[in-house]
Amino acid sequence: GESVGLHLPTLSVQEGDNSIINCAYSNSASDYFIWYKQESGKGPQFIIDIRSNMDKRQGQRVTVLLNKTVKHLSLQIAATQPGDSAVYFCAENRGTGFQKLVFGTGTRLLVSP
Amino acid sequence: KAGVTQTPRYLIKTRGQQVTLSCSPISGHRSVSWYQQTPGQGLQFLFEYFSETQRNKGNFPGRFSGRQFSNSRSEMNVSTLELGDSALYLCASSLVPGYQETQYFGPGTRLLVL
Repeated sequence: GESVGLHLPTLSVQEGDNSIINCAYSNSASDYFIWYKQESGKGPQFIIDIRSNMDKRQGQRVTVLLNKTVKHLSLQIAATQPGDSAVYFCAENRGTGFQKLVFGTGTRLLVSP
Repeated sequence: KAGVTQTPRYLIKTRGQQVTLSCSPISGHRSVSWYQQTPGQGLQFLFEYFSETQRNKGNFPGRFSGRQFSNSRSEMNVSTLELGDSALYLCASSLVPGYQETQYFGPGTRLLVL
């Protein structure tokens, strides 16, 4: 069936490096994607979203890239900090007229000093 | 502005019991969705409420139900608990139900079924 998935379960980086977390989706009709960060013991925290009429969107230290041709999106974190250590999920809102987030499996980002 | 709040934060129940979880959305938010998070299945959509009406439901048995009150607060209920219902239950709210509306999550209720 149609799915949203992440490429790597774990990504380890050094503090100060740039991190790239990838996500693939299979539904070509998908047009709204969200990245969430989940720290241990907490609920998912909204990071950034992107709509299909955009290829790139930037936030504070984060950039999301959307490649509709290959159905791939990525989250780039600049100058990764220990506080960025968490599980990152890409999600697609499939509800038309209602809310229904479909989440990927998540990538755990480990930042070492 | 206060975030989404969920009560209780932790709960231990035994098989066969029932449980009610509560969610208060961000002030002004009228759409509330519920998700179940487990290590094996990840984050899965349970249902969404708007204007006291369930607008959509995920692929869960009828033991899972919910409701929304006129002040947008929501409750979900699980009857006849099974061991597999042990999970983190997350509530998310958004201003309105539009599919491009950002959802904000609460901290979750961790349910352990023994």
